[in-house]
Amino acid sequence: AQSVTQPDIHITVSEGASLELRCNYSYGATPYLFWYVQSPGQGLQLLLKYFSGDTLVQGIKGFEAEFKRSQSSFNLRKPSVHWSDAAEYFCAVRKGGNTPLVFGKGTRLSVIA
Amino acid sequence: DAGVIQSPRHEVTEMGQEVTLRCKPISGHDYLFWYRQTMMRGLELLIYFNNNVPIDDSGMPEDRFSAKMPNASFSTLKIQPSEPRDSAVYFCASSTTYEEIYGYTFGSGTRLTVV
Repeated sequence: AQSVTQPDIHITVSEGASLELRCNYSYGATPYLFWYVQSPGQGLQLLLKYFSGDTLVQGIKGFEAEFKRSQSSFNLRKPSVHWSDAAEYFCAVRKGGNTPLVFGKGTRLSVIA
Repeated sequence: DAGVIQSPRHEVTEMGQEVTLRCKPISGHDYLFWYRQTMMRGLELLIYFNNNVPIDDSGMPEDRFSAKMPNASFSTLKIQPSEPRDSAVYFCASSTTYEEIYGYTFGSGTRLTVV
């Protein structure tokens, strides 16, 4: 069965610092990969997705993610974090077609001044 | 489009009562998903529909849970009888077959508290 691991439960970064959130997946082939963000009391919003092609994908709000097949990873990055980025971030994977998303447990991001 | 609409936003009920959560997907979306979010288990898929037909309900915890989609614009998730361990945030999401363009859109969720 496919699974998604987000090793970091909680990360704290200073405003203006760079950010990297880790995501590893377990699946034989190249899955479809996603990052979502959830602000407090809100639903999940899609940040970016990878299906194929260029392994570095750009998303909304200045986020990017890089797919590394050799490491089974899809880490999320942002060069300079803003206080408004404080939220919960979820990595998700699906096998393909219209199979449902499987989510990681999430990483909570706190931003300090 | 108003997005995926869920109601109610908050529900507090007593153990043993019936609870009905509602979802209106985005018009034109042919997939609908129900997820449950808890601290311990994260986001779990309960059931999903395609063109109003349930495709996979293996995530439904037990017979107390049931879901229906009588038409393309409405779905319900019912818990009867409710128990304190059902307390969670329940999300509905919808999608199209052409996910490359649209991806999933989530509703704002229903926070259920069973006391």
